[in-house]
Amino acid sequence: EVVLTQSPDFQSVTPKEKVTITCRASQSIGSSLHWYQQKPDQSPKLVIKYASQSISGVPSRFSGSGSGTDFTLTIKSLEAEDAAAYYCHQSSSLPLTFGGGTKVEIK
Amino acid sequence: QVQLQESGPGLVKPSQTLSLTCTVSGGSISSGSHYWNWIRQPAGKALEWIGRIYTSDNTNYNPSLRSRVTISVDTSKNQFSLNLSSVTAADTAVYYCARGGVFDWLPLEWGPGTLVTVSS
Repeated sequence: EVVLTQSPDFQSVTPKEKVTITCRASQSIGSSLHWYQQKPDQSPKLVIKYASQSISGVPSRFSGSGSGTDFTLTIKSLEAEDAAAYYCHQSSSLPLTFGGGTKVEIK
Repeated sequence: QVQLQESGPGLVKPSQTLSLTCTVSGGSISSGSHYWNWIRQPAGKALEWIGRIYTSDNTNYNPSLRSRVTISVDTSKNQFSLNLSSVTAADTAVYYCARGGVFDWLPLEWGPGTLVTVSS
């Protein structure tokens, strides 16, 4: 099973500040790493797929990078609507797994 | 645009079987182009993949739950279902159904989720 370790667990950020979330895989997964945003009482929403591919309708301030075992989600200039939990997810092998999540709070 | 909706009891007694159904609209569950997933999330915790079905005889389960899980499909009703047996309080969670591709496995479309509480 591929274990995904996210850091940090929690981040309190002022608007317009840059946010960086990392996800480390326990084994190489190529670029089969995706990022979801989840707001309270909502289902997860895909914001980045295959490590760095943008998603239609998702603001361009969201970007991703990495390959192999180390990945990063960056929010270039945080807006109030970005307050949420963010989860990385790997689809390289079964069982599908998710990271533990990073909660981003607006200061 | 495909939509998914979970349904089932919100309260299940310990040791009993949790049964949920996901109704798919806006697309055919038998198109052969998608995997149909169940994923759960205990309150305040991370997402956990339970398993998925492609056709009635093509299923994959999380090894941590395999002995208790059955996922089935009813193409006539455009639904797929989850049965989780011998539940305990640790199975209390929001349960989501989600659609992924046969080549792009990641879940793309999700239902809103349904809370299932295991309690006597």
